[in-house]
Amino acid sequence: SQQGEEDPQALSIQEGENATMNCSYKTSINNLQWYRQNSGRGLVHLILIRSNEREKHSGRLRVTLDTSKKSSSLLITASRAADTASYFCATDIWGYGGSQGNLIFGKGTKLSVKP
Amino acid sequence: GAVVSQHPSWVICKSGTSVKIECRSLDFQATTMFWYRQFPKQSLMLMATSNEGSKATYEQGVEKDKFLINHASLTLSTLTVTSAHPEDSSFYICSARFSSQETQYFGPGTRLLVL
Repeated sequence: SQQGEEDPQALSIQEGENATMNCSYKTSINNLQWYRQNSGRGLVHLILIRSNEREKHSGRLRVTLDTSKKSSSLLITASRAADTASYFCATDIWGYGGSQGNLIFGKGTKLSVKP
Repeated sequence: GAVVSQHPSWVICKSGTSVKIECRSLDFQATTMFWYRQFPKQSLMLMATSNEGSKATYEQGVEKDKFLINHASLTLSTLTVTSAHPEDSSFYICSARFSSQETQYFGPGTRLLVL
């Protein structure tokens, strides 16, 4: 069953602008991960944020996590045409004895960056 | 980073035939491998989790007799779609992780078209 819900479903911006995507989830998590998928290709791991972390940075990426609201956001600053892709959040949820280890993916946000 | 390969990258087959997809971890030992399915414009749905040397755990609604998973070694897992039907046409993606690591490494995916 799906746990994460991203919004918006689609986002179109101009090169140089910032892009913000949000993800909400339902159950307690061990960590939350963001992935990128170019059309018809595999997934690329972008960033992982643990349940006890609130913010994480990686290059032009900034991820926040609010466990009280069960939500996360991914910010891409100074976007480029090459950032055009679908972005998914995935939750690693708690199970008996700790992390269940399997990821539950959201529906994704399709980002289009126009040059 | 860790590399996961899939073979074949795409396959077209006739209805009723069986198709085998391989997932290999190239530079690390994958104690756990995951198989996902992605329909067009949709998110990834976990099909099954397999640990080396033991039977795969299937998600609800996934027929284990139709989707045979073998994780015979620490670097290879196979998914066999038996008696394929057009509705099995999809993008199949595997991922692998080592021991209790949180990060999964995804393969590039296999596109299956059943005629």
